[in-house]
Amino acid sequence: LAKTTQPISMDSYEGQEVNITCSHNNIATNDYITWYQQFPSQGPRFIIQGYKTKVTNEVASLFIPADRKSSTLSLPRVSLSDTAVYYCLVDTGGGNKLTFGTGTQLKVEL
Amino acid sequence: DGGITQSPKYLFRKEGQNVTLSCEQNLNHDAMYWYRQDPGQGLRLIYYSQIVNDFQKGDIAEGYSVSREKKESFPLTVTSAQKNPTAFYLCASSGAGQGIMNTEAFFGQGTRLTVV
Repeated sequence: LAKTTQPISMDSYEGQEVNITCSHNNIATNDYITWYQQFPSQGPRFIIQGYKTKVTNEVASLFIPADRKSSTLSLPRVSLSDTAVYYCLVDTGGGNKLTFGTGTQLKVEL
Repeated sequence: DGGITQSPKYLFRKEGQNVTLSCEQNLNHDAMYWYRQDPGQGLRLIYYSQIVNDFQKGDIAEGYSVSREKKESFPLTVTSAQKNPTAFYLCASSGAGQGIMNTEAFFGQGTRLTVV
């Protein structure tokens, strides 16, 4: 049973807003939703984390509906350097197991 | 500077040999993790530790072993029992511990292991 489900890939152009949605139907009451970004041959980097409603930082926004069964990472005005794999995580291990899914490969073109 | 350090960056070993990958953090984090990543694939959890002297198997623990004798260190040994050890290995730490909500995880730069 998959903990999270994301699109395998997405394409966009520079300057556009990109929204990546993650499904997590079995999210537990105490789970947070966290998104990471990974460039090739590097470790993932934390982008944003939230529990409900909306969270915004200097890099992205995270939208979480009331039922918390999905979340959407929003990247405003992407650039070529945003080309990366984006992972959505929820802690369903009951002990901070931090299991990654397959992620979404975002490709940004001119 | 605070951070998490993996060494070496590249490692070559002969088939049948055990090899140990180093992971050190000075972030005072309780939880540490080891992941394996194959080309074009996501991260798969090998082992994780929430506290010193305790660790749990992840999803692909067979052929690997770990220890957590110090809070700062979580070395991973790839044993000869691991059938396909060539991969990119990533170590991470987070401030989460038993009973604490998950927090941001910090990753090392990875060790690329090649077995010939």
